[in-house]
Amino acid sequence: AQTVTQSQPEMSVQEAETVTLSCTYDTSESDYYLFWYKQPPSRQMILVIRQEAYKQQNATENRFSVNFQKAAKSFSLKISDSQLGDAAMYFCAYRSSGGYQKVTFGTGTKLQVIP
Amino acid sequence: GAVVSQHPSWVICKSGTSVKIECRSLDFQATTMFWYRQFPKQSLMLMATSNEGSKATYEQGVEKDKFLINHASLTLSTLTVTSAHPEDSSFYICSARGRDEQFFGPGTRLTVL
Repeated sequence: AQTVTQSQPEMSVQEAETVTLSCTYDTSESDYYLFWYKQPPSRQMILVIRQEAYKQQNATENRFSVNFQKAAKSFSLKISDSQLGDAAMYFCAYRSSGGYQKVTFGTGTKLQVIP
Repeated sequence: GAVVSQHPSWVICKSGTSVKIECRSLDFQATTMFWYRQFPKQSLMLMATSNEGSKATYEQGVEKDKFLINHASLTLSTLTVTSAHPEDSSFYICSARGRDEQFFGPGTRLTVL
């Protein structure tokens, strides 16, 4: 079974600064997808960024980028120019490419943005 | 992006009663939907995978007779919590599988008195 580990329960960052959230995972599969989801106080899950394992290039979405290290099974999220609206729970997630494509979530990192 | 709705957004019920939660994909068809449970300050835990026209697949430790799932159409899955007890109080989230990603509903907060 796949596992996803987020070792940082809480993080804080000054507004306009950069912060990196860590995530490691364990799998025996070669083809899979990795995600970062944001869950604000409204509890609505919002997709931040997605990475296909077969792609070597790190995904980027505006101020959000990842550092995907497949051999190390590491998938960190970098948030640049942090904004107050970035404050939320962030979940790292793993999804198999086959079968029902179940998603396994990490334990989450609570990000606080300090004005 | 695709929209998934859940109804109700919150519900309070007495212990021993049953509660039904609906999950709808509004602008796409979803052969597979997922039901998650999230306790306060915790992560999402997958309860079951719901497939249109067939029986749901439950995760280990989830009582299938307590959490009844029906996926009667390509746009609707329902979760019924039968004989609810206070320990069933939680936040229930559904998601629908689209082409490349899952789309999440806004969640339903269940409080059992």
